[in-house]
Amino acid sequence: GAVVSQHPSWVICKSGTSVKIECRSLDFQATTMFWYRQFPKQSLMLMATSNEGSKATYEQGVEKDKFLINHASLTLSTLTVTSAHPEDSSFYICSARPSWELEQFFGPGTRLTVL
Amino acid sequence: ELKVEQNPLFLSMQEGKNYTIYCNYSTTSDRLYWYRQDPGKSLESLFVLLSNGAVKQEGRLMASLDTKARLSTLHITAAVHDLSATYFCAVDRDDKIIFGKGTRLHILP
Repeated sequence: GAVVSQHPSWVICKSGTSVKIECRSLDFQATTMFWYRQFPKQSLMLMATSNEGSKATYEQGVEKDKFLINHASLTLSTLTVTSAHPEDSSFYICSARPSWELEQFFGPGTRLTVL
Repeated sequence: ELKVEQNPLFLSMQEGKNYTIYCNYSTTSDRLYWYRQDPGKSLESLFVLLSNGAVKQEGRLMASLDTKARLSTLHITAAVHDLSATYFCAVDRDDKIIFGKGTRLHILP
């Protein structure tokens, strides 16, 4: 149980384009989902907390107009990287928290490469 | 501000040896996690520690928690090559998980 998927698993795009990443909780409902970014050989940094039906809460230093988060249902959150630039290239990992407990379950990650 | 510090950040050790990774955190927390990450992969949950004195073991890995000292340890017994990975501790506070920098463990055959 508690499986989280992400799509796509990897994406390559041109600078200036927008990329959407999906995060789904497959066998549970998640009132809260989280988006992390991980640069090579670094730790995970929390970007934002996404609550179903409300606006996401962004961490300090994360541009909310650049990283658009939508949590339209209890099983789906999306992260859109708008006007992507090479410095946005990173490994993006989402996690989902079931309504019945505090532990988060992590997705397999999406590797974004911006040319 | 909650800070999570791990040490060492890099560890190269030979198979069969024992070693411990340390995780200190700066403020009280609801729970502490240990994760494993293989290159190019996401996180694999290893342990969730909830209370002072908690000890959990899985195979050659054992994790403990001292909430008074704000310290957790991940002990590796008789290391084998398959345990080579990056290990993260993370602390849960105010519905957020804050990660340490990770310990890159390389086990030599």
